[in-house]
Amino acid sequence: NAGVTQTPKFRVLKTGQSMTLLCAQDMNHEYMYWYRQDPGMGLRLIHYSVGEGTTAKGEVPDGYNVSRLKKQNFLLGLESAAPSQTSVYFCASSFRGPTTLHFGNGTRLTVT
Amino acid sequence: GENVEQHPSTLSVQEGDSAVIKCTYSDSASNYFPWYKQELGKRPQLIIDIRSNVGEKKDQRIAVTLNKTAKHFSLHITETQPEDSAVYFCAALNSGGSNYKLTFGKGTLLTVNP
Repeated sequence: NAGVTQTPKFRVLKTGQSMTLLCAQDMNHEYMYWYRQDPGMGLRLIHYSVGEGTTAKGEVPDGYNVSRLKKQNFLLGLESAAPSQTSVYFCASSFRGPTTLHFGNGTRLTVT
Repeated sequence: GENVEQHPSTLSVQEGDSAVIKCTYSDSASNYFPWYKQELGKRPQLIIDIRSNVGEKKDQRIAVTLNKTAKHFSLHITETQPEDSAVYFCAALNSGGSNYKLTFGKGTLLTVNP
C-alpha cells in the first residue's frame, strides 16, 4: 500500500495563478482532509470530506475549493493564489472520523 | 469552538532525561486526545492517543495522562533518545454528533542532545 500520496511535492506560483493539489489514498478510507501548516501555527483544517461526493469547510477555507469525485481522491484548488497561501499543505485520510489520521508527505507551495 | 494551548513551544533535554509536553483544551465535551510526531521534513504520524474514559495510557517509553477536571493532558517521554527529536503536536476532538474537526496545538520542538 502506498498510503496517502500527494502531488506535486513542490510548487512555485505567481500571485493570481491557479493550481490544483492532488491527494490519493489506497486504504479505502471514507474521510479525507486538507490541512495547512505554517510556522508556529500548528495544523489548520482547510476543507474535509466525509465520503465520495461530499465536502465541507474547515477552519480556514477562504481562497480554496475542493472536490471529491472519487472516494480515493481529494483535490484542493487555489483559483487565484495569494502570498498568504504560501505554506506546506498536508492531505490526510481516516477510516472513520478524524481519529488515526494518515498523512501524506506534504506539498510545499510558495506564492510570489 | 475548541481551543488547544500547547507548552512549551521548544524543549531541549539531554539524552536519557525525561521530557514532558502539556496541553490544555477549552471544550469540556472533547473526548479524544491524540499526539502526533513530525520529524524534520516528514509527515505527522500518530504516536499515542487517549480517550476521556481513561486517565493514563502507556506505550513503551511514551505515556499520556489526562485530567478532565482541569482540562489538560500531557505527553511524557522517558529515557529520551536522539531519534525522539521532532515537533510534537497535541490535538483535541469532541467526537459526538457530526464533528470532524480535530483541533491541533501549535506544536513543541523537542531537541534531544546526545
